[in-house]
Amino acid sequence: GDSVTQMEGPVTLSEEAFLTINCTYTATGYPSLFWYVQYPGEGLQLLLKATKADDKGSNKGFEATYRKETTSFHLEKGSVQVSDSAVYFCALSKAGGYQKVTFGTGTKLQVIP
Amino acid sequence: DVKVTQSSRYLVKRTGEKVFLECVQDMDHENMFWYRQDPGLGLRLIYFSYDVKMKEKGDIPEGYSVSREKKERFSLILESASTNQTSMYLCASSLTGTVRNQPQHFGDGTRLSIL
Repeated sequence: GDSVTQMEGPVTLSEEAFLTINCTYTATGYPSLFWYVQYPGEGLQLLLKATKADDKGSNKGFEATYRKETTSFHLEKGSVQVSDSAVYFCALSKAGGYQKVTFGTGTKLQVIP
Repeated sequence: DVKVTQSSRYLVKRTGEKVFLECVQDMDHENMFWYRQDPGLGLRLIYFSYDVKMKEKGDIPEGYSVSREKKERFSLILESASTNQTSMYLCASSLTGTVRNQPQHFGDGTRLSIL
């Protein structure tokens, strides 16, 4: 079945450091890929998405590129802030009425001043 | 903006009780989902519904049931609560996926403790 693998956390960075969170996937067909973010005490929010190979999703300074050849969708940000501290989930879904989503296990990011 | 509202942020119940978790969405979404979130395990799908009165089992349906009598409301029921059901429960909704790339919209979660 479909699966998503993320790097284990927690990831601790100093403010203004460069962030990469690795994500790889296994799926048949042509999934859409997502990054969700969960701030403390809240539900998940969609951060960015990409729908086909070589698409780049971006939002709030975060970027991720859909790489079909390496089945990857790594999340990057050039300069993190304390307010970026959260848990980040990589996910995929495939076209179809139910829109089931397969999530990775999440990566906790802590940014220290 | 889509609003998914879960009835309780925190809930404490006793072993053997019947527990109801309620979720309401205000954007006329066809699909609704219940997940549980546990450290190290990420999100696991319990049940989902693609229409009123329709339901499908997810990956971990044992010990749970659901009800969807109205399009906007999706209830999760713990028939006889047990301590291993202590968890964070997340509700989500989405448009139908006949058009690709419909993201899920989440509520803030209910942290349920079973004593």
